[in-house]
Amino acid sequence: DVKVTQSSRYLVKRTGEKVFLECVQDMDHENMFWYRQDPGLGLRLIYFSYDVKMKEKGDIPEGYSVSREKKERFSLILESASTNQTSMYLCASSPIGGMQPQHFGDGTRLSIL
Amino acid sequence: AQSVAQPEDQVNVAEGNPLTVKCTYSVSGNPYLFWYVQYPNRGLQFLLKYITGDNLVKGSYGFEAEFNKSQTSFHLKKPSALVSDSALYFCAVRPDNTDKLIFGTGTRLQVFP
Repeated sequence: DVKVTQSSRYLVKRTGEKVFLECVQDMDHENMFWYRQDPGLGLRLIYFSYDVKMKEKGDIPEGYSVSREKKERFSLILESASTNQTSMYLCASSPIGGMQPQHFGDGTRLSIL
Repeated sequence: AQSVAQPEDQVNVAEGNPLTVKCTYSVSGNPYLFWYVQYPNRGLQFLLKYITGDNLVKGSYGFEAEFNKSQTSFHLKKPSALVSDSALYFCAVRPDNTDKLIFGTGTRLQVFP
């Protein structure tokens, strides 16, 4: 089975801090994704990576950056955390081609105080 | 703009009764369609998908979905609901020429004993 592991289930940070969220997948998938989940808004794509060092902005990239130095690892960075970035963050991976489903981690619930 | 609509925020059904969770989409071309389920404090789990072929697709846990091209719908169904089916359900669409998904806002299914 595909396993997508997010490094933290719960995280509390302060306004202005630089925050790193880590995601690792074990199925050699080319694609990796970072989403933000908020009640009533569903899942919104922050960034997408289709290969090592390759990235594409999603729908809400402002205030975020990403890093993919190795195929299995995709990091989301909040450059200067703000209270409106308090949310559930979900990482996913999938093979290239779009026919196979995305596989999700259990999420990181991030609170910015 | 491409979009996915789940018109009901919540669906309530008695255990043993059939259930339907609705999804419509507005996407050009021939999209791939997916349903996911999310249990509390977990990531999304894949239920089923439509790529091509038979309009009725069967998935995990006894769920099925019917693709209707003329109505651009992909409703999720189950003949007999279980209390354990209570969860948040997301419809997602993969437009042509991308591996990204567009998600609906989610429908909370509540099955009462």
